[in-house]
Amino acid sequence: QLVESGGGLVNPGGSLKLSCAASGFTFTNAWMNWVRQAPGEGLEWVGRIKSKTDGGTTAYAAPVRGRFTISRDDSTNTLYLQMNSLKTEDTAVYYCTTVAGQMASWGQGTLVTVSS
Amino acid sequence: QSVLTQPPSVSGAPGQRVTISCTGTSSNIGAGYDVHWYQQLPGTAPKLLMYGNTNRPLGVPDRFSGSKSGTSASLAITGLQAEDEADYYCQSYDSSLSGYVFGTGTKVTVL
Repeated sequence: QLVESGGGLVNPGGSLKLSCAASGFTFTNAWMNWVRQAPGEGLEWVGRIKSKTDGGTTAYAAPVRGRFTISRDDSTNTLYLQMNSLKTEDTAVYYCTTVAGQMASWGQGTLVTVSS
Repeated sequence: QSVLTQPPSVSGAPGQRVTISCTGTSSNIGAGYDVHWYQQLPGTAPKLLMYGNTNRPLGVPDRFSGSKSGTSASLAITGLQAEDEADYYCQSYDSSLSGYVFGTGTKVTVL
């Protein structure tokens, strides 16, 4: 199970940190993703973090590279998404997912609204 | 922006067969990366429907089938049911972008 939290209303240029609490599987071994969906739009991959045993490296989509940072705390089975320099176009529901090629498990999503 | 192209909508009567195409390029589907499909019912999170081009997760009815050829993939729904009305997305990996890519999405309507 994946449960996201931390969404809300933020001003353009502001920051927000999302969390994703994982349970029911071995989080330590899992590669994890963030995917977002703007209102009325399709799915967009945001970024990925590998398991620490596979190097723990991150990768990001071009629109968020340099502004967003994915991290993980294997001691608490929690995934994070630190979002800085937010833009209105970052407004979306943000989902965390497991990833092994396919994205088998998804959270319910948390809404981030960037607006003044 | 979506790298994989899908038709915006498809429709069919109950019991009919519909197919959804997913067209990519030589840096994603054509490069041999697997295609996966997701179903998103209104107001809910996406759910994995098909993985590794042709494999159904446990619990997914065998009315759903997948295929892949060249730079394209397809999802077929046979015996269309009212509960299949949803948005469907394909997904793969793109080597030139070094990341995962989704299709533009297809809305399936049951007439």
